[in-house]
Amino acid sequence: KQEVTQIPAALSVPEGENLVLNCSFTDSAIYNLQWFRQDPGKGLTSLLLIQSSQREQTSGRLNASLDKSSGRSTLYIAASQPGDSATYLCAVSGGTSYGKLTFGQGTILTVHP
Amino acid sequence: NAGVTQTPKFRVLKTGQSMTLLCAQDMNHEYMYWYRQDPGMGLRLIHYSVGEGTTAKGEVPDGYNVSRLKKQNFLLGLESAAPSQTSVYFCASSYSPNARGIFGPGTRLTVL
Repeated sequence: KQEVTQIPAALSVPEGENLVLNCSFTDSAIYNLQWFRQDPGKGLTSLLLIQSSQREQTSGRLNASLDKSSGRSTLYIAASQPGDSATYLCAVSGGTSYGKLTFGQGTILTVHP
Repeated sequence: NAGVTQTPKFRVLKTGQSMTLLCAQDMNHEYMYWYRQDPGMGLRLIHYSVGEGTTAKGEVPDGYNVSRLKKQNFLLGLESAAPSQTSVYFCASSYSPNARGIFGPGTRLTVL
């Protein structure tokens, strides 16, 4: 059974810092990996999707990498801003899973001015 | 283009009552999913559908039923609500298994 772990569970940084969120998964037979953002009381917004054949994806200040063989992904946020404060969730889709996602518990990020 | 909408946004039930949660998407997506989110448990898949008229069980299907009579709608039913079903329910859809998931805003359900 696929298990997804995110470290750290919570992170508090001053504005302007570059930061890294970590995600690990136990079964390397994945179809893709997504990073989501969730604001309090809201739904999930997909930030980046990395296919299993890709090594990284970038969107603005966000960069996600994938090392499928070691079962790891990182989300790099450059020049953090208070508006980046949210919960960040990592989710993997298995090889024959019809897009079903297995989620990590999330990292709660607080960026203070 | 409204994306994924969920009805209702909030609901309080008494133990044993029944209700149906409605998920609607206007993106012509084939794949639809119901997840529940609980503190300390993360999001877990309840049921999913790979097309109109199809449904399948996810990780935590007990106590729930689903139907996908129309491509744009995915209904989640609770026949006899239990306090353990207190949760936030999210619906999601995607164009293909390898596409980004689009999530609805969630339904917060409390069962007393």
